[in-house]
Amino acid sequence: GESVGLHLPTLSVQEGDNSIINCAYSNSASDYFIWYKQESGKGPQFIIDIRSNMDKRQGQRVTVLLNKTVKHLSLQIAATQPGDSAVYFCAEIGSSNTGKLIFGQGTTLQVKP
Amino acid sequence: DAGVTQSPTHLIKTRGQQVTLRCSPKSGHDTVSWYQQALGQGPQFIFQYYEEEERQRGNFPDRFSGHQFPNYSSELNVNALLLGDSALYLCASSLTGTNEKLFFGSGTQLSVL
Repeated sequence: GESVGLHLPTLSVQEGDNSIINCAYSNSASDYFIWYKQESGKGPQFIIDIRSNMDKRQGQRVTVLLNKTVKHLSLQIAATQPGDSAVYFCAEIGSSNTGKLIFGQGTTLQVKP
Repeated sequence: DAGVTQSPTHLIKTRGQQVTLRCSPKSGHDTVSWYQQALGQGPQFIFQYYEEEERQRGNFPDRFSGHQFPNYSSELNVNALLLGDSALYLCASSLTGTNEKLFFGSGTQLSVL
């Protein structure tokens, strides 16, 4: 069945370093992927998205990489800041475009000062 | 420009009771989706409303029902509450019936005792 999973439930990095959060998905037909950031007591916040016809997309301090061969998605955060501390989720829209997002369990990013 | 607003923010109910949660979508959005997020998990899709009709539904029992009003706001109703219904309930809105770039509210934290 369809599933989206994350490697490493917790990631701890030093302030100023780069962070890489990984995600594996099982449905090779998925065509749209999104990264969300969720801070304590808040709803998920859109960070960046990528379609399956792309390998890489850059935003402000963030980059998403998509490797369709191994069904792997990653989020890179440059110069990680304390405000980046949160839980990060990858999500996909299923191949049937049912209009529902499938979320992974999440990776907690802890930024040490 | 107000984002997605949900009410109430917190709610405590007992088993067997019924609950209604409310959501107002982001201005200009016409589609509302509801998600359930258990502690430490990613959000799980409940259903989606567009043009006042349920368009898609996740794997949730009939105890979960909803409604969308002409002004695009929405309600989530849960009957015969179970302890396992304790979770954060998230409302997300989008435009034109897609889940792309969903904007989430801060959620309603429901505790069932």
